[in-house]
Amino acid sequence: GQSLEQPSEVTAVEGAIVQINCTYQTSGFYGLSWYQQHDGGAPTFLSYNALDGLEETGRFSSFLSRSDSYGYLLLQELQMKDSASYFCAVLNQAGTALIFGKGTTLSVSS
Amino acid sequence: DAGVIQSPRHEVTEMGQEVTLRCKPISGHNSLFWYRQTMMRGLELLIYFNNNVPIDDSGMPEDRFSAKMPNASFSTLKIQPSEPRDSAVYFCASRKREDSDEQFFGPGTRLTVL
Repeated sequence: GQSLEQPSEVTAVEGAIVQINCTYQTSGFYGLSWYQQHDGGAPTFLSYNALDGLEETGRFSSFLSRSDSYGYLLLQELQMKDSASYFCAVLNQAGTALIFGKGTTLSVSS
Repeated sequence: DAGVIQSPRHEVTEMGQEVTLRCKPISGHNSLFWYRQTMMRGLELLIYFNNNVPIDDSGMPEDRFSAKMPNASFSTLKIQPSEPRDSAVYFCASRKREDSDEQFFGPGTRLTVL
């Protein structure tokens, strides 16, 4: 089966940089996704890495190392609005539906 | 685009009652998912439909749970009878194609079973 590990909580201050790590164990691997969820809201897509390396989208970047079964989400120039839960996810063994990690709660303070 | 629509947004019911949650996926999306989110278990996949056909229901907790997708624009998740441990936020999500990267989530239904 698929399993993902990520830290439960991370704290940082405005303007800082924070990295949220994710390690995974999968039977078949199609790529690593990241989703953001604000309290009480729906998860929303942030990024997807199918190949090794860094993908940059504005203040957010995502990295994947398939040989290490590891990825991370990098958030730069943190803002208060970035306070949310961040989930890494992989497709299930059949490659049809996302399986999510337990999520990392990021708290940004001023 | 209206996004994924779920109803009701909140549901409070008593143990033993039947609960029906509804979902309208984004038009043109052919994959639909039901997830359940709790503090203890996180975001769990319950069932996945492709082209209105249930493909994987291995996440459905027990026979009290059932899901249908009678057409491309509507799905239901039914719990009968409901129990307090079913209290959770239930999300519906849709995806344009099986090989798409992104799943679009609805706002969720917060279910409380007393």
